[in-house]
Amino acid sequence: DAKTTQPTSMDCAEGRAANLPCNHSTISGNEYVYWYRQIHSQGPQYIIHGLKNNETNEMASLIITEDRKSSTLILPHATLRDTAVYYCIVRAVIQGAQKLVFGQGTRLTINP
Amino acid sequence: DTGVSQNPRHKITKRGQNVTFRCDPISEHNRLYWYRQTLGQGPEFLTYFQNEAQLEKSRLLSDRFSAERPKGSFSTLEIQRTEQGDSAMYLCASSLGSGGNNEQFFGPGTRLTVL
Repeated sequence: DAKTTQPTSMDCAEGRAANLPCNHSTISGNEYVYWYRQIHSQGPQYIIHGLKNNETNEMASLIITEDRKSSTLILPHATLRDTAVYYCIVRAVIQGAQKLVFGQGTRLTINP
Repeated sequence: DTGVSQNPRHKITKRGQNVTFRCDPISEHNRLYWYRQTLGQGPEFLTYFQNEAQLEKSRLLSDRFSAERPKGSFSTLEIQRTEQGDSAMYLCASSLGSGGNNEQFFGPGTRLTVL
């Protein structure tokens, strides 16, 4: 799986949009971009994933650049409960490629 | 609550003792994964099952570690002769389907402390 690069930490004010960047310059054509987050003392939680097109769900939006070498996770109206470590993961979709390879992620702190 | 449960939530043991953890996945999920997470690091893959078959094992899974999923439902992870370096959070996840494009649902983890 391709390696990802994320900032170590970020801060965001409550109620504002949190934009978390991820670089994945060696991504292959068959690899998706996944985002998970981990709130303190809990297991990771799936947020969203995408291949080429931008994606949106009830939790977040995922913007993938046209060359697919980077992406941004957007939490539109951050709340204190969004404080967590956010992991950007690139994962192949071929049969047998099942494991998630986590980096160190971005520690996002939402400030009141 | 994702529907994946793990027991116990915390385990303290002395070095050299054996420990066993249990994971109950979401009932219709045929894939089950074990990960290990040490302080300040992201989770690291250990092994995964499709139904009862163990299909991949990480090099992190030394001879002292064994995982089973005998009936394709719950799974156990046993660590024999524990060492202080085994202290970590052990996470279980499950997913549905045979493709790679399936999200994994994680349990709350079992935190192991080896004294």
